[in-house]
Amino acid sequence: QVTLKESGPVLVKPTETLTLTCTVSGFSLSNARMGVSWIRQPPGKALEWLAHIFSNDEKSYSTSLKSRLTISKDTSKSQVVLTMTNMDPVDTATYYCARIPTSSSWYDYWGQGTLVTVSS
Amino acid sequence: EIVLTQSPGTLSLSPGERATLSCRASQSVSSSYLAWYQQKPGQAPRLLIYGASSRATGIPDRFSGSGSGTDFTLTISRLEPEDFAVYYCQQYGSSLPTFGGGTKVEIK
Repeated sequence: QVTLKESGPVLVKPTETLTLTCTVSGFSLSNARMGVSWIRQPPGKALEWLAHIFSNDEKSYSTSLKSRLTISKDTSKSQVVLTMTNMDPVDTATYYCARIPTSSSWYDYWGQGTLVTVSS
Repeated sequence: EIVLTQSPGTLSLSPGERATLSCRASQSVSSSYLAWYQQKPGQAPRLLIYGASSRATGIPDRFSGSGSGTDFTLTISRLEPEDFAVYYCQQYGSSLPTFGGGTKVEIK
């Protein structure tokens, strides 16, 4: 059974750095056919892709947020970590991690999401 | 970056009616790279359609996808009560992944 679960702080202050962890099970991050993305959704708004990482450590970032994002993985822990620097209230959103088979272009499994609020 | 524009923003229909949702891309997208998701309040998105027209596992056949190039459509043949939700299209072709702004299907 494939599952993804996000974890991290519920509340961060402006200018702080956010670190989110996606713990996966039911598949391996070393599987050549799988990748994991981070996607966010501000309250009442649309989905926004942030970054992804594949088994070969290939990484891509949103053009608009590239300077603030870092994605990495720890295969032994089955975890994908996203850091976002210089947080602002507009970054308040539910953050999801999702699986993307390398050979495809869609997200077949999603985590439940974690709501992060940016406020002083 | 490919921009996906979904229309209408909101669709008000009754159970049993047909829903037609549109997704237009700012440049051509290979059909292989277009997907649709359903999202209900408080839940993560769920994959409905991939490759523009293939139903994901467990998706009822009242859901169908079509289209090519820059124009794609999600059709729900007969709305069931559980189909009232927000629907998103998504592409990941030659550029980075992007999502549309969503269409909310609400009960009339």
